Amino acid sequence: DGGITQSPKYLFRKEGQNVTLSCEQNLNHDAMYWYRQDPGQGLRLIYYSQIVNDFQKGDIAEGYSVSREKKESFPLTVTSAQKNPTAFYLCASRDSGARGTQYFGPGTRLLVL
Amino acid sequence: AQSVTQLDSQVPVFEEAPVELRCNYSSSVSVYLFWYVQYPNQGLQLLLKYLSGSTLVESINGFEAEFNKSQTSFHLRKPSVHISDTAEYFCAVAPNTGNQFYFGTGTSLTVIP
Repeated sequence: DGGITQSPKYLFRKEGQNVTLSCEQNLNHDAMYWYRQDPGQGLRLIYYSQIVNDFQKGDIAEGYSVSREKKESFPLTVTSAQKNPTAFYLCASRDSGARGTQYFGPGTRLLVL
Repeated sequence: AQSVTQLDSQVPVFEEAPVELRCNYSSSVSVYLFWYVQYPNQGLQLLLKYLSGSTLVESINGFEAEFNKSQTSFHLRKPSVHISDTAEYFCAVAPNTGNQFYFGTGTSLTVIP
């Protein structure tokens, strides 16, 4: 089955700890995205990548980092600098070209202990 | 710059009644338009999209949306809702150049038995 997988489904972070959220896709899409979702605020873009070894900051990149070493993978690290990390994190990928549709993974819920 | 406004944050409706979820957008360039549905603790699923051609687009489960360029709107409608339609609905626009999507803040549809 083609699609996007995210792991883990739930993740707990201790104060001062960095944690990494996994996102993998087998759709052969070039572009990948990370969004943060908080109640009543919709989706906010953290980072996106249009091609391997290249990525751009979104609207709320502070406290987060990403890498794109392989086309299939776009992991997100939530660093200790992110003071309010509790949220639902969604990864997406997109068909090539401006007419492409974004497809989403099932999400990871991050909670702070 | 692009922006998306979903005018209603919550819409309660009785089962088998019609519903309209409103979406207006602002953009300096041509855009493609999307509606996504999100069930609790899941990722977003594409419901329908407008890329070009007929301004009325339909989904397989009875939803439809009409692109109105003069009013910059893309309202979602269903003539008779079912309990299973209870979910969060997001409107999104993508400029005809570039790779970013812009999402509204979502509308929570609750179908009352």
